[in-house]
Amino acid sequence: AQSVTQPDIHITVSEGASLELRCNYSYGATPYLFWYVQSPGQGLQLLLKYFSGDTLVQGIKGFEAEFKRSQSSFNLRKPSVHWSDAAEYFCAVGPSGTYKYIFGTGTRLKVLA
Amino acid sequence: DTGVSQNPRHKITKRGQNVTFRCDPISEHNRLYWYRQTLGQGPEFLTYFQNEAQLEKSRLLSDRFSAERPKGSFSTLEIQRTEQGDSAMYLCASSLGTGTGNTIYFGEGSWLTVV
Repeated sequence: AQSVTQPDIHITVSEGASLELRCNYSYGATPYLFWYVQSPGQGLQLLLKYFSGDTLVQGIKGFEAEFKRSQSSFNLRKPSVHWSDAAEYFCAVGPSGTYKYIFGTGTRLKVLA
Repeated sequence: DTGVSQNPRHKITKRGQNVTFRCDPISEHNRLYWYRQTLGQGPEFLTYFQNEAQLEKSRLLSDRFSAERPKGSFSTLEIQRTEQGDSAMYLCASSLGTGTGNTIYFGEGSWLTVV
């Protein structure tokens, strides 16, 4: 079955520290992969996406993610976290040709001043 | 481009009442989606429109739920005889294109609380 796992429910980092949020997926073929961010009470904003090509993807707000087929992972990274990055982050899989994104349960990021 | 717009943003209703949410997609987006998100979970797909045609409904969408997109522009999601389990955020999203890999853009959601 198709699934997305975000193993870290909560992560706390200090402002200025680096960040890595983990995402593992289960899917039989190459999926389309996404990271979204959600601030409290708000909808989802797309950070970045991977469809094909270069496995290192750059997104908005200084985020990047790397697709590793051998590990079925699509981890999100940021070299220096800002207090405004505090939010919930969702990884999603969009199997090719469909619109039924499968979301992980999210990772809530807390940033310490 | 004003993004995906949803109304109302918050709704509190008594159990058994009907509620309706409206979604205005990004202009000229031909695809429109509804997702539901409960506390502590990621969004779950509910239904999908291409233009005015509702092409798929999730098994999560019980008979009490109905969605329409009458002119291929805005959409409504109605929940009849609401139950406490319907409390969630209802997210609308839209995308453009007929091919694969089209990015879906989400609105800010409509919160429903059933008391």
